Amino acid sequence: ELKVEQNPLFLSMQEGKNYTIYCNYSTTSDRLYWYRQDPGKSLESLFVLLSNGAVKQEGRLMASLDTKARLSTLHITAAVHDLSATYFCAVESNNNDMRFGAGTRLTVKP
Amino acid sequence: AAGVIQSPRHLIKEKRETATLKCYPIPRHDTVYWYQQGPGQDPQFLISFYEKMQSDKGSIPDRFSAQQFSDYHSELNMSSLELGDSALYFCASSLARLNTEAFFGQGTRLTVV
Repeated sequence: ELKVEQNPLFLSMQEGKNYTIYCNYSTTSDRLYWYRQDPGKSLESLFVLLSNGAVKQEGRLMASLDTKARLSTLHITAAVHDLSATYFCAVESNNNDMRFGAGTRLTVKP
Repeated sequence: AAGVIQSPRHLIKEKRETATLKCYPIPRHDTVYWYQQGPGQDPQFLISFYEKMQSDKGSIPDRFSAQQFSDYHSELNMSSLELGDSALYFCASSLARLNTEAFFGQGTRLTVV
Protein backbone atom coordinates (compact mmCIF):
# COMPACT_ATOMS: atom_id res chain seq x y z
CA GLU A 1 0.00 0.00 0.00
CA LEU A 2 1.25 3.44 -0.89
CA LYS A 3 2.35 5.47 2.12
CA VAL A 4 3.33 9.11 2.00
CA GLU A 5 5.33 10.73 4.77
CA GLN A 6 6.03 14.39 5.19
CA ASN A 7 8.35 16.14 7.55
CA PRO A 8 8.36 18.27 9.43
CA LEU A 9 4.71 18.28 10.42
CA PHE A 10 5.01 21.68 12.02
CA LEU A 11 7.36 24.44 10.95
CA SER A 12 7.75 27.87 12.44
CA MET A 13 10.00 30.17 10.47
CA GLN A 14 11.06 33.75 10.62
CA GLU A 15 10.54 35.96 7.62
CA GLY A 16 13.50 35.98 5.30
CA LYS A 17 14.70 32.50 6.23
CA ASN A 18 14.96 29.44 4.00
CA TYR A 19 13.69 25.97 4.73
CA THR A 20 12.88 22.66 3.06
CA ILE A 21 9.91 20.35 3.49
CA TYR A 22 10.44 16.69 2.64
CA CYS A 23 8.04 14.16 1.20
CA ASN A 24 8.91 10.44 1.06
CA TYR A 25 6.71 7.77 -0.47
CA SER A 26 6.80 4.03 -0.30
CA THR A 27 6.08 2.65 -3.76
CA THR A 28 7.03 3.56 -7.27
CA SER A 29 5.21 6.54 -8.68
CA ASP A 30 6.07 9.04 -11.35
CA ARG A 31 3.56 11.67 -10.34
CA LEU A 32 3.80 13.86 -7.31
CA TYR A 33 1.81 16.94 -6.42
CA TRP A 34 2.17 19.75 -3.94
CA TYR A 35 -0.90 21.52 -2.60
CA ARG A 36 -1.42 24.45 -0.31
CA GLN A 37 -4.35 24.70 2.07
CA ASP A 38 -5.40 27.70 4.14
CA PRO A 39 -7.52 27.01 7.23
CA GLY A 40 -11.02 25.91 6.31
CA LYS A 41 -10.32 26.35 2.63
CA SER A 42 -9.86 24.08 -0.34
CA LEU A 43 -6.58 22.69 -1.63
CA GLU A 44 -4.76 24.82 -4.14
CA SER A 45 -2.48 23.12 -6.62
CA LEU A 46 1.08 24.40 -6.48
CA PHE A 47 3.19 21.98 -8.51
CA VAL A 48 2.87 18.85 -10.58
CA LEU A 49 6.07 16.83 -10.89
CA LEU A 50 5.91 14.13 -13.54
CA SER A 51 9.43 12.83 -14.04
CA ASN A 52 12.64 12.05 -12.26
CA GLY A 53 14.71 15.16 -11.77
CA ALA A 54 11.78 17.49 -12.36
CA VAL A 55 12.22 20.89 -10.78
CA LYS A 56 9.60 23.61 -10.77
CA GLN A 57 9.66 27.05 -9.25
CA GLU A 58 6.97 29.58 -8.54
CA GLY A 59 7.92 32.67 -6.62
CA ARG A 60 9.57 31.73 -3.35
CA LEU A 61 8.68 28.04 -3.68
CA MET A 62 10.66 25.43 -5.56
CA ALA A 63 9.75 21.75 -5.80
CA SER A 64 11.86 18.84 -6.98
CA LEU A 65 11.36 15.13 -7.50
CA ASP A 66 13.76 12.21 -7.24
CA THR A 67 11.81 9.11 -8.22
CA LYS A 68 14.70 6.78 -7.50
CA ALA A 69 14.93 7.97 -3.91
CA ARG A 70 11.12 8.34 -3.78
CA LEU A 71 11.63 11.81 -2.41
CA SER A 72 10.30 15.23 -3.20
CA THR A 73 11.30 18.49 -1.61
CA LEU A 74 9.55 21.83 -1.34
CA HIS A 75 12.08 24.57 -0.73
CA ILE A 76 11.04 27.90 0.67
CA THR A 77 13.27 30.86 -0.03
CA ALA A 78 13.16 34.08 2.00
CA ALA A 79 9.85 33.23 3.63
CA VAL A 80 7.13 35.85 3.95
CA HIS A 81 4.05 35.85 6.16
CA ASP A 82 1.73 35.13 3.22
CA LEU A 83 3.28 31.69 2.89
CA SER A 84 1.76 30.62 6.20
CA ALA A 85 -0.48 27.65 5.38
CA THR A 86 -0.51 23.88 5.40
CA TYR A 87 1.41 22.25 2.57
CA PHE A 88 0.54 18.75 1.42
CA CYS A 89 2.36 16.48 -0.93
CA ALA A 90 0.30 13.87 -2.72
CA VAL A 91 1.49 10.87 -4.68
CA GLU A 92 -0.45 9.14 -7.39
CA SER A 93 -0.96 5.42 -6.90
CA ASN A 94 -1.16 2.76 -9.58
CA ASN A 95 -4.92 3.18 -9.59
CA ASN A 96 -4.57 6.87 -10.44
CA ASP A 97 -5.84 8.14 -7.12
CA MET A 98 -3.78 10.43 -4.91
CA ARG A 99 -2.62 9.66 -1.42
CA PHE A 100 -1.73 12.58 0.76
CA GLY A 101 0.99 13.14 3.29
CA ALA A 102 0.02 14.38 6.75
CA GLY A 103 0.78 17.97 5.80
CA THR A 104 3.28 20.52 7.03
CA ARG A 105 1.77 23.37 8.99
CA LEU A 106 3.95 26.35 8.21
CA THR A 107 3.89 29.52 10.25
CA VAL A 108 6.02 32.44 9.13
CA LYS A 109 6.65 34.98 11.84
CA PRO A 110 7.83 38.57 11.34
CA ALA B 1 -12.23 29.23 -15.90
CA ALA B 2 -14.79 26.80 -14.59
CA GLY B 3 -13.84 25.05 -11.36
CA VAL B 4 -15.11 22.06 -9.46
CA ILE B 5 -18.48 22.84 -7.92
CA GLN B 6 -19.66 21.16 -4.75
CA SER B 7 -23.00 21.44 -3.08
CA PRO B 8 -24.09 22.10 -0.52
CA ARG B 9 -21.27 24.09 1.05
CA HIS B 10 -22.51 23.41 4.55
CA LEU B 11 -24.74 20.66 5.87
CA ILE B 12 -25.96 19.87 9.35
CA LYS B 13 -27.50 16.47 10.00
CA GLU B 14 -28.50 14.48 13.03
CA LYS B 15 -27.12 11.09 13.91
CA ARG B 16 -28.57 8.25 11.91
CA GLU B 17 -29.79 10.56 9.16
CA THR B 18 -28.64 10.41 5.56
CA ALA B 19 -26.81 13.00 3.49
CA THR B 20 -26.07 13.42 -0.19
CA LEU B 21 -23.16 15.50 -1.39
CA LYS B 22 -22.89 16.57 -4.99
CA CYS B 23 -19.89 17.30 -7.15
CA TYR B 24 -19.76 18.84 -10.61
CA PRO B 25 -16.30 18.35 -12.10
CA ILE B 26 -14.51 20.71 -14.43
CA PRO B 27 -15.96 20.25 -17.93
CA ARG B 28 -14.26 17.51 -19.94
CA HIS B 29 -12.46 16.11 -16.91
CA ASP B 30 -12.70 12.33 -16.89
CA THR B 31 -11.81 11.53 -13.28
CA VAL B 32 -13.51 12.42 -10.02
CA TYR B 33 -12.14 11.83 -6.53
CA TRP B 34 -13.77 12.12 -3.12
CA TYR B 35 -11.78 12.92 0.00
CA GLN B 36 -12.70 13.29 3.65
CA GLN B 37 -10.71 15.69 5.81
CA GLY B 38 -11.20 15.73 9.56
CA PRO B 39 -10.12 18.72 11.67
CA GLY B 40 -6.36 19.10 11.56
CA GLN B 41 -5.93 16.00 9.43
CA ASP B 42 -4.81 15.25 5.92
CA PRO B 43 -7.35 14.42 3.24
CA GLN B 44 -8.28 10.75 3.29
CA PHE B 45 -9.11 9.18 -0.03
CA LEU B 46 -12.59 7.69 -0.19
CA ILE B 47 -13.33 6.71 -3.76
CA SER B 48 -12.65 7.68 -7.36
CA PHE B 49 -14.30 7.32 -10.73
CA TYR B 50 -12.81 7.28 -14.20
CA GLU B 51 -15.18 7.71 -17.10
CA LYS B 52 -18.17 6.97 -14.86
CA MET B 53 -16.73 3.69 -13.60
CA GLN B 54 -15.40 3.26 -10.09
CA SER B 55 -11.63 3.13 -10.41
CA ASP B 56 -10.41 2.87 -6.84
CA LYS B 57 -11.70 2.64 -3.33
CA GLY B 58 -10.01 3.89 -0.21
CA SER B 59 -11.16 4.13 3.38
CA ILE B 60 -14.82 4.56 2.56
CA PRO B 61 -17.21 3.11 5.15
CA ASP B 62 -19.84 0.64 3.99
CA ARG B 63 -22.45 3.21 5.03
CA PHE B 64 -21.22 5.45 2.23
CA SER B 65 -21.71 4.95 -1.47
CA ALA B 66 -20.97 7.03 -4.49
CA GLN B 67 -21.66 7.09 -8.18
CA GLN B 68 -20.89 9.11 -11.23
CA PHE B 69 -23.65 9.94 -13.64
CA SER B 70 -23.78 10.23 -17.42
CA ASP B 71 -23.15 13.98 -17.22
CA TYR B 72 -20.04 13.22 -15.11
CA HIS B 73 -21.35 14.75 -11.93
CA SER B 74 -20.89 12.60 -8.88
CA GLU B 75 -22.81 12.09 -5.66
CA LEU B 76 -21.59 10.79 -2.33
CA ASN B 77 -24.39 9.21 -0.33
CA MET B 78 -23.91 8.81 3.39
CA SER B 79 -26.32 6.86 5.55
CA SER B 80 -26.65 6.17 9.28
CA LEU B 81 -24.54 9.22 9.98
CA GLU B 82 -22.30 9.18 13.01
CA LEU B 83 -20.72 12.03 14.94
CA GLY B 84 -17.33 10.97 13.57
CA ASP B 85 -18.51 11.63 10.03
CA SER B 86 -18.31 15.36 10.71
CA ALA B 87 -15.62 16.61 8.37
CA LEU B 88 -14.87 18.54 5.23
CA TYR B 89 -15.63 16.50 2.14
CA PHE B 90 -13.74 17.45 -0.95
CA CYS B 91 -14.37 16.47 -4.48
CA ALA B 92 -11.61 16.84 -7.06
CA SER B 93 -11.45 16.28 -10.78
CA SER B 94 -8.68 15.75 -13.26
CA LEU B 95 -8.08 14.88 -16.87
CA ALA B 96 -6.22 11.63 -16.39
CA ARG B 97 -5.48 11.20 -20.07
CA LEU B 98 -3.35 14.33 -20.04
CA ASN B 99 -1.79 13.79 -16.61
CA THR B 100 -3.24 16.97 -15.18
CA GLU B 101 -3.26 17.49 -11.47
CA ALA B 102 -6.50 17.20 -9.56
CA PHE B 103 -8.37 20.42 -8.96
CA PHE B 104 -10.35 20.58 -5.78
CA GLY B 105 -13.76 22.00 -5.08
CA GLN B 106 -14.45 24.26 -2.13
CA GLY B 107 -15.66 21.34 -0.08
CA THR B 108 -18.80 20.50 1.83
CA ARG B 109 -18.59 20.93 5.56
CA LEU B 110 -20.74 18.24 7.14
CA THR B 111 -21.62 18.53 10.79
CA VAL B 112 -23.39 15.64 12.46
CA VAL B 113 -25.08 16.50 15.74
